[in-house]
This record gives sequence, structure tokens and C-alpha cells, in this order.
Amino acid sequence: QVQLQESGPGLVKPSQTLSLTCIVSGGSISSGGYYWSWIRQHPGKGLEWIGYIYYSGSPSYYNPSLKSRVTISADTSKNQFSLKLSSVTAADTAVYYCARGTTSSTWFGPWGQGILVTVSS
Amino acid sequence: QSVLTQPPSVSAAPGQKVTISCSGSSSNIGNNYVCWYQQLPGTAPKLLIYDNNKRPSGIPERFSGSKSGTSATLGITGLQTGDEADYYCGTWDSGLSTGGVFGGGTKLTVL
Repeated sequence: QVQLQESGPGLVKPSQTLSLTCIVSGGSISSGGYYWSWIRQHPGKGLEWIGYIYYSGSPSYYNPSLKSRVTISADTSKNQFSLKLSSVTAADTAVYYCARGTTSSTWFGPWGQGILVTVSS
Repeated sequence: QSVLTQPPSVSAAPGQKVTISCSGSSSNIGNNYVCWYQQLPGTAPKLLIYDNNKRPSGIPERFSGSKSGTSATLGITGLQTGDEADYYCGTWDSGLSTGGVFGGGTKLTVL
């Protein structure tokens, strides 16, 4: 079955760019029918959708509150997709999850195990 | 502030039934499918219910979902201590803030 795994630095300095990668195994991101997504969870808080992308790169959708700072891209040759969040502050400290969404409905699954990213100098 | 509204906590005894509500608006729940996620302590969320009332493979029949208008409900029967978790509703919002939206989460305690 499809599995997702986040990777990237666990510590990012304020004003820098947070960069994470999600490696997909057990299935191809090019198979179609799915959006490849990023979702985050601030410590002790609820879930916040960041955005998602189709394997071809289009369409992509971003949370309006983060849109000016977010870029999600897909690399079909490596079967992975990535998140870049620029100009980070302490408010961006969270567990970041990658997940598979569907083009035909509203659910996300499966999810990666999550990676805690702390923004601190 | 989450777009969808859930009670912060619910509790019930083992073997009992509990329901968790999720309230939204016409731009989200009213015109889109609702799903539910279970997040056990220290783990990633797991899809529990999709398309309002469907269960993914491996999810017990004890879990059910329903939707009416701009609200949705998750039901859990035959509560077990292993059901203690945070539960989140989710859907798509087609309004001013287009995108995926979630409820604030409900902590289920099995007494």
C-alpha cells in the first residue's frame, strides 16, 4: 500500500526558508486521481491545510493565509513532492505532515508520520 | 479559529456510545463531502470516515458518519479504551478562503 515519509531539517532559523520533502513508496504519484498535500499541526493544536499539487504540477492550491510564502512542487522521477515555506517565524513551528488527497473528494489518506520543524535562532 | 466547529471534548464509559458534532456553513459542509480523522496520542491522523458515511477498509463498523445540511456527526458505539484519541472533521471550503478545512478537534475520553 502507499506510504509517505517526510524528510528535512528539524530546525530552521527565523526569516529563512523551510524545505521539506515527502517520499512516496508503494505507488506512483503519476498514477493520477490524487493531489499530493501538506498539512501542519501547531503544538497542541488542530490541523491546518497548507496546500496540494497534482503530479503534473498543475493544478496546485494553497491556503490563502499562506499562499504568498508557500511553494509545493512534484518530482515524478523521484516519486516525491516538496514544500517550501519562506520567511518563517516562530509561528511556523509545527509538525508538518504530507498526505495523499483525492481529486474526486475531500479526504486525505494515508498520511506520513509527520516531522516536527522548530523555528528558532 | 477553525472554520469547522467541534466540541473540545466528549467522554463516555466503555461499551457506551458517543457522538461528535461538526458544524460548518453552506460553503463547506453544506456543499461538500465530510470526512473524519482519528489521531491517537503521538501519531499522525488516520482517515476514519470519508464521503460523509463511508468507512475505509479496516475501520470497524462501530464507527459511523452522517451529514445533514451544514452539520455532520461522527458516532462511535461499543467504546473501547483504545478509542481514546483526538477526532477531527474535514472538508473543502469553496468560499472566500477556498481550500481544505478542518475542525478544531475533539478529545474523546473513555472513562
